[in-house]
Amino acid sequence: EDQVTQSPEALRLQEGESSSLNCSYTVSGLRGLFWYRQDPGKGPEFLFTLYSAGEEKEKERLKATLTKKESFLHITAPKPEDSATYLCAVRTGNQFYFGTGTSLTVIP
Amino acid sequence: DAGVIQSPRHEVTEMGQEVTLRCKPISGHDYLFWYRQTMMRGLELLIYFNNNVPIDDSGMPEDRFSAKMPNASFSTLKIQPSEPRDSAVYFCASSPSGQAYEQYFGPGTRLTVT
Repeated sequence: EDQVTQSPEALRLQEGESSSLNCSYTVSGLRGLFWYRQDPGKGPEFLFTLYSAGEEKEKERLKATLTKKESFLHITAPKPEDSATYLCAVRTGNQFYFGTGTSLTVIP
Repeated sequence: DAGVIQSPRHEVTEMGQEVTLRCKPISGHDYLFWYRQTMMRGLELLIYFNNNVPIDDSGMPEDRFSAKMPNASFSTLKIQPSEPRDSAVYFCASSPSGQAYEQYFGPGTRLTVT
């Protein structure tokens, strides 16, 4: 069965304290892995797409990496405005599966 | 660009009533997706369209749910009859051709069925 699991469920960081969020997947025929950010009361906002193992993408303080079994979203020197829920999703065949997200809180 | 537009933003209805959710995708986008988000199950893909044609509706929970896309700028998700377990936030998203994975989400419709 295709599955996407994110960890941890919640993460509290001090401002400037770097960390990583994990997204592990078990799907047949990965056609892309995506990261989204979701703020309370809003729709998810697209961040990155990764297609193959070894691929990396960066945007400001965020860097996403992909292996054959998991993806990491690295957050370097986070700021309070990085607080949000980060969602991982995979595409396999015609289906898109989302993880339940990691709720990140960055404390000033 | 106005982004993906959804209406209504909030809907409260009684069990058994028909509910229609509306979505206007970003102009020029060829893909349109309908999702449902709950605390228990997270974000679930219900159905998506490419060039107004349904591609995959395997996520539609049951026959009470139906979706249409009569033209490139409008889609509806209908629930008839509605049940309390349908209470959730329903998101519409659109994506440009060739980039079916970079989905741009609307603000969502919060549906409460009492």
